[in-house]
Amino acid sequence: DAGITQSPRHKVTETGTPVTLRCHQTENHRYMYWYRQDPGHGLRLIHYSYGVKDTDKGEVSDGYSVSRSKTEDFLLTLESATSSQTSVYFCAISESGLDNEQFFGPGTRLTVL
Amino acid sequence: GQNIDQPTEMTATEGAIVQINCTYQTSGFNGLFWYQQHAGEAPTFLSYNVLDGLEEKGRFSSFLSRSKGYSYLLLKELQMKDSASYLCAVGLSGNTPLVFGKGTRLSVIA
Repeated sequence: DAGITQSPRHKVTETGTPVTLRCHQTENHRYMYWYRQDPGHGLRLIHYSYGVKDTDKGEVSDGYSVSRSKTEDFLLTLESATSSQTSVYFCAISESGLDNEQFFGPGTRLTVL
Repeated sequence: GQNIDQPTEMTATEGAIVQINCTYQTSGFNGLFWYQQHAGEAPTFLSYNVLDGLEEKGRFSSFLSRSKGYSYLLLKELQMKDSASYLCAVGLSGNTPLVFGKGTRLSVIA
């Protein structure tokens, strides 16, 4: 299995608070992604990165920001969490291109009250 | 826009064969992926098709017809552990991220 970890694995927070989720990989893959998964919507891309300090928006980026200061870490920040951001968040990585096979982390379950 | 369609849910009997279909209308095509996702877990890669035809991998096979914008995943000799969601994803031409379908939840019953 690809070496991908996510932290925290579970988090409960209150509306209006900032939240940061971390994705860490040991595979030295260039490409990293953040998805959210909700019933009826499947996996939706939030942001992705194609290198250190190189990021771009996905289809549901409003309310989220990301940073990648090192190859191995990709951070997802909710500046002011809302109940609509309650979801399961998955990080993924790929080696050779954005259209290549992706390996997924274990997920973070976030609840915003 | 990009559109990928899969049935929402399917039910099949242990020991049987099931076919999960995926149709896509996308601006470009650079391969089709199938992933398996058990409840509460992360998606895991099953198969990849870039050329027309059937790719077989044990009990699982995946088929692609690029001219029809169509793929299917065939699961043989179904086992209870095959109960999961199956996600179809399309790679687009150019360097853009995969586009995922909403997934098909398969329930295997005795």
